Amino acid sequence: IQMTQSPSFVSASVGDRVTITCRASQGISSSLAWYQQKPGKAPKLLIYAASSLQSGVPSRFSGSGSGTDFTLTISSLQPEDFATYYCQQAENFPLTFGGGTKVEIK
Amino acid sequence: QVQLVQSGGGVVQPGMSLRLACAASGFTFSNYGMHWVRQTPGKGLEWVAIIWYDRRNEEYAESVKGRFTISRDDSKNTLYLQMNSLTVEDAAVYYCARRREQRSYLDFWGQGIPVTVSS
Repeated sequence: IQMTQSPSFVSASVGDRVTITCRASQGISSSLAWYQQKPGKAPKLLIYAASSLQSGVPSRFSGSGSGTDFTLTISSLQPEDFATYYCQQAENFPLTFGGGTKVEIK
Repeated sequence: QVQLVQSGGGVVQPGMSLRLACAASGFTFSNYGMHWVRQTPGKGLEWVAIIWYDRRNEEYAESVKGRFTISRDDSKNTLYLQMNSLTVEDAAVYYCARRREQRSYLDFWGQGIPVTVSS
């Protein structure tokens, strides 16, 4: 299953609302996760099952979608949110990841 | 707190072998499936393998099938990845990660360890 993220790059300001999309090449129900990765660090799970917030993750992060189209939204971008975000399908093996969306400071 | 501490990376020549380890603490290791994932600038994040909590099943990416073996020692709370017949395409940062219960969402990750394959 191929995962396609868009956009690849987002330039945004603190306080902005940011939306990232992920499309699966076939239906994956709600078996989707979102991760945040900062340079030199491991990815961090933000959202699982498309819309469930991982423990300890701020509520400004939210996820939605099912089937083939999914969205990660950051409601009010904070300085610590500048990072690269990845989606991952967990419906079938091999697990596959999107190509990433880099969120940078405008 | 959950911790996954990786070791074993390094520089090897093509065709050689390397074993990675991932020492787990802060949770009941034997109750969880565990994954290996790798990352390169060119290919991004690539899933490598999973071993289920009961050690009865493993799954591998096609790119490593027959060359890599995932294993675990629950008595040592440690996950392993034996990598044989390494090629330059296997050069990456390798991460171990815990499988969240019920689905392969990766809820805790090791710090990552680089593997360089070069002659």
